[in-house]
Amino acid sequence: AQTVTQSQPEMSVQEAETVTLSCTYDTSESDYYLFWYKQPPSRQMILVIRQEAYKQQNATENRFSVNFQKAAKSFSLKISDSQLGDAAMYFCAYRPTSGTYKYIFGTGTRLKVLA
Amino acid sequence: SAVISQKPSRDICQRGTSLTIQCQVDSQVTMMFWYRQQPGQSLTLIATANQGSEATYESGFVIDKFPISRPNLTFSTLTVSNMSPEDSSIYLCSVAPRGGMYSEQYFGPGTRLTVT
Repeated sequence: AQTVTQSQPEMSVQEAETVTLSCTYDTSESDYYLFWYKQPPSRQMILVIRQEAYKQQNATENRFSVNFQKAAKSFSLKISDSQLGDAAMYFCAYRPTSGTYKYIFGTGTRLKVLA
Repeated sequence: SAVISQKPSRDICQRGTSLTIQCQVDSQVTMMFWYRQQPGQSLTLIATANQGSEATYESGFVIDKFPISRPNLTFSTLTVSNMSPEDSSIYLCSVAPRGGMYSEQYFGPGTRLTVT
C-alpha cells in the first residue's frame, strides 16, 4: 500500500530565511504525482506545487521549490525568503496516475515563521 | 483552478441529528471528493462523487452514515447522519477541475462540525 510520511510535526524558521520540509513516500508505481498543499489557520487548502514523477526536473513556483529524489522516494519542499504568511500546516500528498484518483496525504508539518 | 464554497462554514449539532453540507463550484467539474479532517490530523477521503453515478465510498465509510448527492456538475451535498461526538471534525469537499486524467485537486474552505 502507498504511504506518505512527514517526519517533522513542527518546524520554525526566521523571517527571510530558508526552510526545508521533508516528505518520503512508498509506492510500487513508476508513474505518479506528488504535491505540497498549504493549509493556513483559515483552513482553506491551497495547492503549492506539483511534481510529475516522470519529470526529472524539480518543480519551482516562485519562492517554493522541491527536491524530488525518485530512487530515494523523497520529495522535500524548500521555502526561500520565508514570509509571515507562509505560516501554515503543510501536507505532502501522493496520487498514482492510473487506477484511482485518491490522494494519500501525509500527517502534515506545522510551519511557524518567526519575526 | 476552481472557486469552491461550502455551507455551512461551521455548526454545532446534537447527537442523533443529521447535518447536510453543501459544496458549490464555480465551474463544471467531473470529479468531486469529500474528506474528513479530524482536529490536528491529516485528511481522510470519505467518498468520490461523480455526476450521474453512485458515490464510491472508502473503507470505513458507508452510505447510510454519509449519504452523498451529486445532482449536477457544479454541486454536491454530504449528509452526516445520526451524529455522535466522534463525528466532530472538519469536512472538506474538493474537485478535480480537469477531470480524472489530470492530477490536481482544489479544496473548499471546509465545514467545522461539533457534535454535543
